[in-house]
Amino acid sequence: QVQLKESGPGLVQPSQTLSLTCTVSGFSLTSYNVHWVRQPPGKGLEWMGRMRYNGDTSYNSALKSRLSISRDTSKNQVFLKMNSLQTDDTGTYYCTRDANAWGQGASVTVSS
Amino acid sequence: DIQMTQSPSSLPASLGDRVTITCRASQDIGNYLRWFQQKPGKSPRLMIYGATNLAAGVPSRFSGSRSGSDYSLTINSLESEDMAIYYCLQHNEYPLTFGSGTKLEIK
Repeated sequence: QVQLKESGPGLVQPSQTLSLTCTVSGFSLTSYNVHWVRQPPGKGLEWMGRMRYNGDTSYNSALKSRLSISRDTSKNQVFLKMNSLQTDDTGTYYCTRDANAWGQGASVTVSS
Repeated sequence: DIQMTQSPSSLPASLGDRVTITCRASQDIGNYLRWFQQKPGKSPRLMIYGATNLAAGVPSRFSGSRSGSDYSLTINSLESEDMAIYYCLQHNEYPLTFGSGTKLEIK
């Protein structure tokens, strides 16, 4: 059974760095792509970036300067790090396997 | 970046109605178009892939179609459980881009 689960701090201070982990099961990170998608409260979906099955990454150009996606295949985990957080980075962050299977989402609030 | 122009943003409809939501792509995306349903507090659910293919477990009243750069999601005989926000997504090239969403609500 394919599962993805996001984890990380629910509250981040402005200007600090967000670190999220996506732990997957039921498939191999060396066979499938994992994407990060976020959604501000009451707004639409925004694609952030992707970890390809072969380790390559792609990023949304609007976030590229602040965003890094990495992985640990031995732990079945994909990581998202985004620095210089501001209040408009508040929202729910999802990881998804090729937009087929989705995690439950991690709620992140940027506030002092 | 490819822009996905989705319309309408809001769609009041009655149970039993047939409704259509459309996304127009700013560039050629072939059939690399997916439709998602999202209910409050829930993750998006894949409904249609490859523009016209029904995802596993999706009721047959849902269908997808394409006419040139216009992609449509049609729901026949609307049921109460269909009330949700629907998004299109192009995955022909990076960055992937979503439509702005259509909120389907009871009239």
